[in-house]
Amino acid sequence: KAGVTQTPRYLIKTRGQQVTLSCSPISGHRSVSWYQQTPGQGLQFLFEYFSETQRNKGNFPGRFSGRQFSNSRSEMNVSTLELGDSALYLCASRGGAGELFFGEGSRLTVL
Amino acid sequence: GNSVTQMEGPVTLSEEAFLTINCTYTATGYPSLFWYVQYPGEGLQLLLKATKADDKGSNKGFEATYRKETTSFHLEKGSVQVSDSAVYFCALSDPPGTYKYIFGTGTRLKVLA
Repeated sequence: KAGVTQTPRYLIKTRGQQVTLSCSPISGHRSVSWYQQTPGQGLQFLFEYFSETQRNKGNFPGRFSGRQFSNSRSEMNVSTLELGDSALYLCASRGGAGELFFGEGSRLTVL
Repeated sequence: GNSVTQMEGPVTLSEEAFLTINCTYTATGYPSLFWYVQYPGEGLQLLLKATKADDKGSNKGFEATYRKETTSFHLEKGSVQVSDSAVYFCALSDPPGTYKYIFGTGTRLKVLA
């Protein structure tokens, strides 16, 4: 069965722009979580969606937002990009036993 | 708040050496504990988990025991291989029973042939 798919894998933006990242979970998984991974801060939780509803949110500014569609696909958006937003953004879908299955990530570089 | 502390890396070992990566946690309640592994250029993969005190998780020769008295979940492997070279993350579910995870900073392991 196909794994978690994230697109795009790599992207470069400039400060002030906005970006949208996409995540397709494993078929049948209804929970999708997003994490930001940076060398300095490690993995930090952004938000979690279940059946199109945001259930948990991490400590990120309002520039970071997300949504989930009826087919469980999820998108996250970052507006007014800052240099510090450069990171690997990981999406994960949750299996029945609570384990997370991660995608390969979207690497965002902000210039 | 809840937190996970891992030993600093990198850890460099020769093939067939014994591996220990320390992980301690601070949490209220009874979180589930996890070890994830990240190979170069890939996302994280679940390595093993334990959901209650004294549980031992094991997979691919790795094991870790949930020690509530010492709030630890150390990862061990008796004989490492070059293919085990990766970054290892300890994590807990916060709050317990949810699927919002707190991850440690990761420990890079390099195994030399």
